[in-house]
This record gives sequence, structure tokens and C-alpha cells, in this order.
Amino acid sequence: EPEVTQTPSHQVTQMGQEVILRCVPISNHLYFYWYRQILGQKVEFLVSFYNNEISEKSEIFDDQFSVERPDGSNFTLKIRSTKLEDSAMYFCASKLDRGNEKLFFGSGTQLSVL
Amino acid sequence: GQSLEQPSEVTAVEGAIVQINCTYQTSGFYGLSWYQQHDGGAPTFLSYNALDGLEETGRFSSFLSRSDSYGYLLLQELQMKDSASYFCAAQSGGGADGLTFGKGTHLIIQP
Repeated sequence: EPEVTQTPSHQVTQMGQEVILRCVPISNHLYFYWYRQILGQKVEFLVSFYNNEISEKSEIFDDQFSVERPDGSNFTLKIRSTKLEDSAMYFCASKLDRGNEKLFFGSGTQLSVL
Repeated sequence: GQSLEQPSEVTAVEGAIVQINCTYQTSGFYGLSWYQQHDGGAPTFLSYNALDGLEETGRFSSFLSRSDSYGYLLLQELQMKDSASYFCAAQSGGGADGLTFGKGTHLIIQP
């Protein structure tokens, strides 16, 4: 089965530093997402991306966050100035099209902010 | 906003049947999904209901009642590998709308 690929699997950074999390969604998928999960808690929606623009974002996705699809293949999440509370597992996900609600998740990037 | 309630933990015996319930309160509702997550792993799609009724996929079935704002996941012929967390997730609209997840149900399978 096709896979969503995320790199790196682990990222350690100092508070205030910028991080970029990378994802390669499944090639023919049209909708892209970022979710995060703090250890032991539920999965939380951050942002959705369709047709080269943000479609929806949650309250968590403030001005410190941004997303890009720079080359038609990669899908990135940037956190400009990380905070301790940004420590979480970040999942990228994609789905084929509207009406097909099966979301494929990547294996995640564990972000630790020190 | 949206909120989903599901039991935090369920214990069952290998070979048995277990039902995990989910109730939701939403300002808009499009459908209910179920995801499985093993420790340290990514959520994996199990099923999706947009209409009332039962959807069956192998050993797993999912049910939705829109009038009751209620759904459940039914797992049959439980195997040890089914030990995982199970999340219900509501979609408020079609297209690119994000999912709102419940807090998850930790399923413990005993031999």
C-alpha cells in the first residue's frame, strides 16, 4: 500500500529555534493535513491544505506555524520560534479526494523542545 | 466546536467481541471515522460512516445513528494484535475539513 513519508523521525531543538518538519504525501492525493499528538493525549488537527492553499486551520495553528508545498511533492510544516509546549508527535496525513474519507497518516516526527 | 466522548479503557478476552462507543456533540457533522493506533505508531484508518447504519469490514464493523449523535466500533474474534488505542473522529464538513478526535479507548486483550 502507498505510504506517507515523514522526516526526520525525531527532532530535538532549543526553545526559540525554528524547525521544519517534512512530509511526502501519497502522490495522487489532493488533500494534505498536519496533526499533532502530545504524549498520551488525543490527536489534534492543525491545518489542511488543498489546491496549493490553506483550507482550514485550528486555533493551535497560530502565526508561529506555516505550511508549504514547495515543489509538488513535499509538504512542510514550519514552526518559527518553538516553545516548550510544542513538544509533541507531529503527523502528516493525506487523502485522495473529496468523498473518500480514508486518511493516510505518516509515521510521525517526534519533536522535543528543550 | 466539537467534542467526542468514548470510554478510556476496555478489557476483553481473546476470541470475544467488544464494542467501543462514541457520542459526539458538534456544531456541524458530516461523518464519523474510526482509527486504530498501536503504541508509538501512526493512526490507521478502520472505517467511516456518513449515513445511519452498519458498515462491515472483515472483523471490524462500525455503526452510526445521526439522530442519537452516537456511533460504535465492533471488533469480533479478538486477537492479541488488536490491543491498541481506538479513536473515533468526527468530520464537520466535506472536502478539506480536519477531523476532531476523541480521547481514545485503550483496548486490552487478555488471553
